[in-house]
Amino acid sequence: RKEVEQDPGPFNVPEGATVAFNCTYSNSASQSFFWYRQDCRKEPKLLMSVYSSGNEDGRFTAQLNRASQYISLLIRDSKLSDSATYLCVVLRANAGKSTFGDGTTLTVKP
Amino acid sequence: NAGVTQTPKFQVLKTGQSMTLQCAQDMNHNSMYWYRQDPGMGLRLIYYSASEGTTDKGEVPNGYNVSRLNKREFSLRLESAAPSQTSVYFCASSEALRGLMGAANEQFFGPGTRLTVL
Repeated sequence: RKEVEQDPGPFNVPEGATVAFNCTYSNSASQSFFWYRQDCRKEPKLLMSVYSSGNEDGRFTAQLNRASQYISLLIRDSKLSDSATYLCVVLRANAGKSTFGDGTTLTVKP
Repeated sequence: NAGVTQTPKFQVLKTGQSMTLQCAQDMNHNSMYWYRQDPGMGLRLIYYSASEGTTDKGEVPNGYNVSRLNKREFSLRLESAAPSQTSVYFCASSEALRGLMGAANEQFFGPGTRLTVL
């Protein structure tokens, strides 16, 4: 079993739709969680960190459920510019490194 | 600030050839990483350096070597390239310190090197 698993999609949604991605992790020692965005043929960039209490940044909301070992990303009012691959990342600080999921591809259509 | 820079951007090698991928960061970060990304997949960690003077194996280290030349630079070497090493290679850096519990450490990535081994 992979340490970090994501639904690969693709998710094809119309503009204005709400879409949610889930990510599960297997190591209960995981401590920090992130969502990264990767555009086609570009490098990943941090979208948002995920805090225990959940956090929101504009149209994006991230949630963490430690008991069930999953994190989620909710995108409201989808824009064409949201089309990208979204990578779930889990950090074990005592290991000094992060593990990336394989990514979920989102395409927002007019 | 340039952030994280990588050279070269593209490279084609023949099987058995060697090459070094260069990476440098100007953010005074302690930790640096090398990843590879194959089509349709996430990033897999090859090697990382938690701090200057240390390097550790990641998930897929076979066929690679690394050097943390100084705090700014972290190079990746392929001694004898194989077609299975055809991939996009990303270098990244973060402030992370080994053993710093609970730290949220954003990784900043370079633009990548697209390597093809024939």
